Formats: sequence, structure tokens, C-alpha cells
Amino acid sequence: EAGVAQSPRYKIIEKRQSVAFWCNPISGHATLYWYQQILGQGPKLLIQFQNNGVVDDSQLPKDRFSAERLKGVDSTLKIQPAKLEDSAVYLCASSPSGRGRGEQYFGPGTRLTVT
Amino acid sequence: EDQVTQSPEALRLQEGESSSLNCSYTVSGLRGLFWYRQDPGKGPEFLFTLYSAGEEKEKERLKATLTKKESFLHITAPKPEDSATYLCAVRKIKAAGNKLTFGGGTRVLVKP
Repeated sequence: EAGVAQSPRYKIIEKRQSVAFWCNPISGHATLYWYQQILGQGPKLLIQFQNNGVVDDSQLPKDRFSAERLKGVDSTLKIQPAKLEDSAVYLCASSPSGRGRGEQYFGPGTRLTVT
Repeated sequence: EDQVTQSPEALRLQEGESSSLNCSYTVSGLRGLFWYRQDPGKGPEFLFTLYSAGEEKEKERLKATLTKKESFLHITAPKPEDSATYLCAVRKIKAAGNKLTFGGGTRVLVKP
């Protein structure tokens, strides 16, 4: 079974530029999550989708971050404009359903450096 | 507010030297406590889920236990390949979907 795919793996941009990350979850997984992991810290949830609807985006900085999940499969996370403090690894995860056992399966992440 | 605190932040072990990692949590209504392993440059890999106090789970050299306030991850006779960051996370009752709140992790280095 293929895992969660993310691209790009690395991205370097200057502050005030925009960037987009892509995620393809495990086939059949209805729930998709985007996390931000700052170096030395645990992942922090940014947004959760159930199919193509948003379940929780309470920690998403909506003035600069946006995310969508069209057709309930792939998802993109965008930052515009980027700030220095956005430097982090952006992890995508998926799980079979919102009422399942709860374990989430993570992709390899995209490491973003903002200079 | 939900809080998850892991200790120590870092742990250096000799191969074969058993030790334990701690995850203490404050959450109103625990629906599950999760342990993940994260290797450098990779996403977290699921290890265990514990649901109630007194529950234990084992996988190879790892054993996770749960009380009402904390969880322990015991590493028995570790090998260098057990070197990684170990993350714990909690899910609360009535959490939206499967929202997990993670601790900061414990970085484990096992030297041969």
C-alpha cells in the first residue's frame, strides 16, 4: 500500500514570497491533516479535512495560510506572503475516517526555509 | 487547555542500556494516547495507541504503559537502530475528528 505522498521535499523562498505544498493521502482515507513542525518541537495541527470539508482550522493563520482539498483526495497548502517564522517542516497525514481508531499516517514532509 | 509534556528532551544510551521515556498529559477526557517514532528527515511513524489506565502494548524492544496522568515508553536492551525522536500525542473525547495534541518529543541516541 502506497503511503502519503508530499511534494516538494524541500523549498527555499524569500520572505513575502508565496509557496504551495501538495499532498496525496493514502487511497481511501477520508481524513487529511496538515501539521507544522518547527525544529525541536512536536507537530502542531493547522487544518483537518473530512473528505473535502474543513473539520478544524482553528490554528491556521488565515491571514496568510490557505488550504483546499478538491474532490476529497489531494490537498494543497499555500502560504502567501511567507514570514521568517514560517520556516518549518510541513507534514501531511491521513487516517481512514473521523471515527476510526485514531492513528494517523504521515508523509515525509516538506522542509520550508524562509530567508 | 490540553497539555502534553515529554521528558527528558534528550537521552543518550549505550547499546543494551534499558531506559524509560515519560509523557505526562493534562486533558479533559482522554480518548487515546499515541506514541510515534520519527527519524531525521521523515514523518512520524505510528507505534502504539493506549486507551485506558493499566493498558500495555509491546513491539519488539518497546513497551508502552498508561496511567491516568502519564505514559511511559520503556526501551529494553536498545540497539543503535532505536535511535530516533519519540513523540507522544493525546486525543480527547469530543475532539473534532481525530485531532491529536503532540508533546515536544524525546530524542534518543543509542551508541554501540
